[in-house]
Amino acid sequence: NAGVTQTPKFQVLKTGQSMTLQCAQDMNHNSMYWYRQDPGMGLRLIYYSASEGTTDKGEVPNGYNVSRLNKREFSLRLESAAPSQTSVYFCASGRQAHPTNEKLFFGSGTQLSVL
Amino acid sequence: GENVEQHPSTLSVQEGDSAVIKCTYSDSASNYFPWYKQELGKRPQLIIGIRSNVGEKKDQRIAVTLNKTAKHFSLHITETQPEDSAVYFCAAKGASGTYKYIFGTGTRLKVLA
Repeated sequence: NAGVTQTPKFQVLKTGQSMTLQCAQDMNHNSMYWYRQDPGMGLRLIYYSASEGTTDKGEVPNGYNVSRLNKREFSLRLESAAPSQTSVYFCASGRQAHPTNEKLFFGSGTQLSVL
Repeated sequence: GENVEQHPSTLSVQEGDSAVIKCTYSDSASNYFPWYKQELGKRPQLIIGIRSNVGEKKDQRIAVTLNKTAKHFSLHITETQPEDSAVYFCAAKGASGTYKYIFGTGTRLKVLA
């Protein structure tokens, strides 16, 4: 049981390049998320998908697009990377188990540098 | 929009002392408030969460309290140990039927031996 798998782990881009971060979960969760983590800024929500076929903007969606390819996979695309997008990106999936603990399972993160 | 404020940003305590981290949220419809612990270089992991219809929840040395009227919630760690050193994040989940989690900016806790 791998949990949440995201690739790549590290990436260096030049300004203007594009790339897609991949995320897959094998826990049959409905909801999936993309967060970015910057020093002093905490975890900021970029986009989320409450269920297969739906996506919604989070706190900082500008410069990103997402695709919920199927129930397992949720990708994040940077069309034209900018230095401000240098960050650690976390994918997560959500177990909604009312009334017991609801829980987000995070991937191991992608460290992205945009030069 | 929704916002979660977290204080302090850093906290140092002596081993065995207690640590308290506080958060406030803006969306009065939020109904679930989890806390995540992130060790250096690792992914965040859930340590405890509290629902909006509960005022307090305990799990061994960890407790969370919620004041819905004031829109405050807090994490209390008693008898701190060096392995408690980490970054702690509070979060608020939107109203029922939504799955949007907004996180605070994090507290770096250092437990001094």
